Amino acid sequence: GAVVSQHPSRVICKSGTSVKIECRSLDFQATTMFWYRQFPKQSLMLMATSNEGSKATYEQGVEKDKFLINHASLTLSTLTVTSAHPEDSSFYICSARTRDASNTGELFFGEGSRLTVL
Amino acid sequence: RKEVEQDPGPFNVPEGATVAFNCTYSNSASQSFFWYRQDCRKEPKLLMSVYSSGNEDGRFTAQLNRASQYISLLIRDSKLSDSATYLCVVNRYSGGGADGLTFGKGTHLIIQP
Repeated sequence: GAVVSQHPSRVICKSGTSVKIECRSLDFQATTMFWYRQFPKQSLMLMATSNEGSKATYEQGVEKDKFLINHASLTLSTLTVTSAHPEDSSFYICSARTRDASNTGELFFGEGSRLTVL
Repeated sequence: RKEVEQDPGPFNVPEGATVAFNCTYSNSASQSFFWYRQDCRKEPKLLMSVYSSGNEDGRFTAQLNRASQYISLLIRDSKLSDSATYLCVVNRYSGGGADGLTFGKGTHLIIQP
């Protein structure tokens, strides 16, 4: 099946710094990628939809200036958490769908990135 | 009422037993339904889609009741490897795209030897 890779899998940073998380589709072209956040014992929440070559669409309540998303190519989307604070500590997961997929019934998820802000 | 509700568990079940859990959803216009499995600190992986007529995949059976707005998952002859969190996922659109997905918090299942 299709593979989506995320990096880094774990990151610890100091409050006030910025962290970049990469999401790559390894064997298919992803025109659309999605970024989720999952707090402990909570459900995955969609943060934003990233479309190649255009601006991301953010869900209500998600600050676009704090969570910068860049989808510069068909195989790479990045999420940058700017000026991170401890409350940003979470599990960030990306997912992608193939260009031609419509009713595949399956998303391809990255392995997730666990961010801890001290 | 939350969009997708699940009993968080944990469900502690002996190996070989049958276990079932449900999920309710609030949006009656929801179009497609899925069960995902998520192992601890890992990404979710699709277990199976849920069809109106009910569907089975090996030891797993999924049912959808649109009238009552609930989805169920039945696991027969449970294995130790079935221990995981099972996420109920509802999409307001048809198909598998992520645009309209709503995830439940998950039901934690522990299979005991």
